[in-house]
Amino acid sequence: DSGVTQTPKHLITATGQRVTLRCSPRSGDLSVYWYQQSLDQGLQFLIQYYNGEERAKGNILERFSAQQFPDLHSELNLSSLELGDSALYFCASSFRDHSYEQYFGPGTRLTVT
Amino acid sequence: GIQVEQSPPDLILQEGANSTLRCNFSDSVNNLQWFHQNPWGQLINLFYIPSGTKQNGRLSATTVATERYSLLYISSSQTTDSGVYFCAGSSGYALNFGKGTSLLVTP
Repeated sequence: DSGVTQTPKHLITATGQRVTLRCSPRSGDLSVYWYQQSLDQGLQFLIQYYNGEERAKGNILERFSAQQFPDLHSELNLSSLELGDSALYFCASSFRDHSYEQYFGPGTRLTVT
Repeated sequence: GIQVEQSPPDLILQEGANSTLRCNFSDSVNNLQWFHQNPWGQLINLFYIPSGTKQNGRLSATTVATERYSLLYISSSQTTDSGVYFCAGSSGYALNFGKGTSLLVTP
């Protein structure tokens, strides 16, 4: 158990819908990262927050957004869902904003039908 | 971003055998991690190893930062070692992942 929690574990929804994925970092960690794992793209970085502020952005679609709240948990919002958004979404956390070991949550498996 | 190349892409071993997995990076990294993704999809941290050598039980890893590669050694493999092994590196914030080595250990 990495200490990073993610909910829900599984999510099945229809195209065009909007979903919210939630992540709680390890106790004491200030940085949260979101990654997407799909069959065709592999594991890709989406976005990072550090102590409530956006720190880095990767290949995140405009239909996706995220935020980190004062209690340091983070939410990833996915809207206007398409079939291609079906993937495993991981949250990771680390103590600092870079050059520190990242610990991954169990992931949320999203299926868009 | 940094390109990460892993080899071999697939590996089949008999229980008890040893193996070496390799990871090459296109540029210098200040964070390098090895992960094991189990059949349930969980990413398990194996090593945080931007340089040097570390050992944890039957697993060990070595990173030669000046030559931009890292090696993961698995000794006396067990069926529970099956899964996909990823290395990932970063020169800043985000980890860049390789495509993984899919390992199957047979009884």
